[in-house]
Amino acid sequence: AQSVAQPEDQVNVAEGNPLTVKCTYSVSGNPYLFWYVQYPNRGLQFLLKYITGDNLVKGSYGFEAEFNKSQTSFHLKKPSALVSDSALYFCAVRGMFSGGYNKLIFGAGTRLAVHP
Amino acid sequence: DTAVSQTPKYLVTQMGNDKSIKCEQNLGHDTMYWYKQDSKKFLKIMFSYNNKELIINETVPNRFSPKSPDKAHLNLHINSLELGDSAVYFCASSQDLRTVNEKLFFGSGTQLSVL
Repeated sequence: AQSVAQPEDQVNVAEGNPLTVKCTYSVSGNPYLFWYVQYPNRGLQFLLKYITGDNLVKGSYGFEAEFNKSQTSFHLKKPSALVSDSALYFCAVRGMFSGGYNKLIFGAGTRLAVHP
Repeated sequence: DTAVSQTPKYLVTQMGNDKSIKCEQNLGHDTMYWYKQDSKKFLKIMFSYNNKELIINETVPNRFSPKSPDKAHLNLHINSLELGDSAVYFCASSQDLRTVNEKLFFGSGTQLSVL
C-alpha cells in the first residue's frame, strides 16, 4: 500500500535561513509525489509535484523538492525562508484505487514556523 | 471568482441533528472529493465522485451521504451527528481522477463543531 511519512511535527527556522521539510514515501511502482501548503483557515494549495524527469522539482513561492529514489525521500526545500512561509505543509503520494482510479494519500503534515 | 467554494464556513450544532455542507466548483472538472481533517490536522479522503458517479468510499459511516446533482456540485449530508464528527471538512476537485499527475484544488473548508 502507498503511504507517506513526515517525521517532524514542527520545523522552526529563522527568516533568511534555508529550510527543509522532510518526507519519505512507500509505493509499489513509480512514485507520483506532491507537496501542498495550508495557510491558517484556508484549504490546501498545490506547491509542486514529481512525476518523472529531473530529481529537483521547482514549484510555487520559491519552493523546490528533491526526489531521492534510493532514500525514498521527497524533501521540500527553500534557500531563504520568509515569515510568510509559516504554514502547514503536506506531502502526498498518488495511490491506486480499484478500477484504475487514483487518490491522494496525505502525510500527517509538518508545521513550519519561520521567526524574524 | 472562487474556484472551489463550500458553505457554510462554520457549522455549530447539537448531537443527533442532521446537517448538510454544499460544494461547488467552477473549474469544469470531472472529479470532486470530500476530505476530513481532524483536530491533529490529519487529512483523510472520504468520498470521490467522477462525473456524478461515486468512485471512492473510504469506509465512512453510512450516516454520511454524499450527493452529486451534477459534476459541478458535491454536497455532503450527515445524519445523527456525533461528537466525533467534529472536524474540518474540505471539498476538492480535479480534472480527471484517472490521471496520475493531476493536482487537487481545495475549498477553504467547513469547520463542523458538534456539541
